[in-house]
Amino acid sequence: QKEVEQNSGPLSVPEGAIASLNCTYSDRVSQSFFWYRQYSGKSPELIMSIYSNGDKEDGRFTAQLNKASQYVSLLIRDSQPSDSATYLCAVRNYGQNFVFGPGTRLSVLP
Amino acid sequence: GAVVSQHPSRVICKSGTSVKIECRSLDFQATTMFWYRQFPKQSLMLMATSNEGSKATYEQGVEKDKFLINHASLTLSTLTVTSAHPEDSSFYICSARLNSGSADTQYFGPGTRLTVL
Repeated sequence: QKEVEQNSGPLSVPEGAIASLNCTYSDRVSQSFFWYRQYSGKSPELIMSIYSNGDKEDGRFTAQLNKASQYVSLLIRDSQPSDSATYLCAVRNYGQNFVFGPGTRLSVLP
Repeated sequence: GAVVSQHPSRVICKSGTSVKIECRSLDFQATTMFWYRQFPKQSLMLMATSNEGSKATYEQGVEKDKFLINHASLTLSTLTVTSAHPEDSSFYICSARLNSGSADTQYFGPGTRLTVL
């Protein structure tokens, strides 16, 4: 089992819809969780971090963490074509290392 | 957010030459920096972890004599691709770890696109 798993996609949603991106991780004692966005040909940029169970909202983005289920998700409300990118989930595990998932490619259709 | 720069952003070199890439944390000190490589349409691949003042830790399969890493200060790490060959052509991305008590996050540089002819 890989440490951090994501559906590779592509996930296609119409403009204005909610995009839901999911990530599972294997290290039960992971401490911190991150979502990065990577546009084609560019480097990843940090969108959100979440450290405790529940929801964390920032603008159109909401991160959700459920440590019992070892699951973290990112919701993007009112999706825009400019949100089309690859979204990387990252987990800081017990060994203090950052582990990245393979990324989910999101396509927002106008 | 924290800012990380990389230089150069793009480099083209002849086979057999060496290329140095710099990664700087501009507004914070980073005891740890990471070097990644990414081929087109593929995932990030961690190459090595660079710790200030000590030797880098390389991932399995990454040749430490080919990819020389130096982290001489709290704001600068360098990656030198020695005797580059066409198969080394890739997008090299560094990141710097910002650890400020409750927050422990990685911030990425803009990347360096290396083309070896």
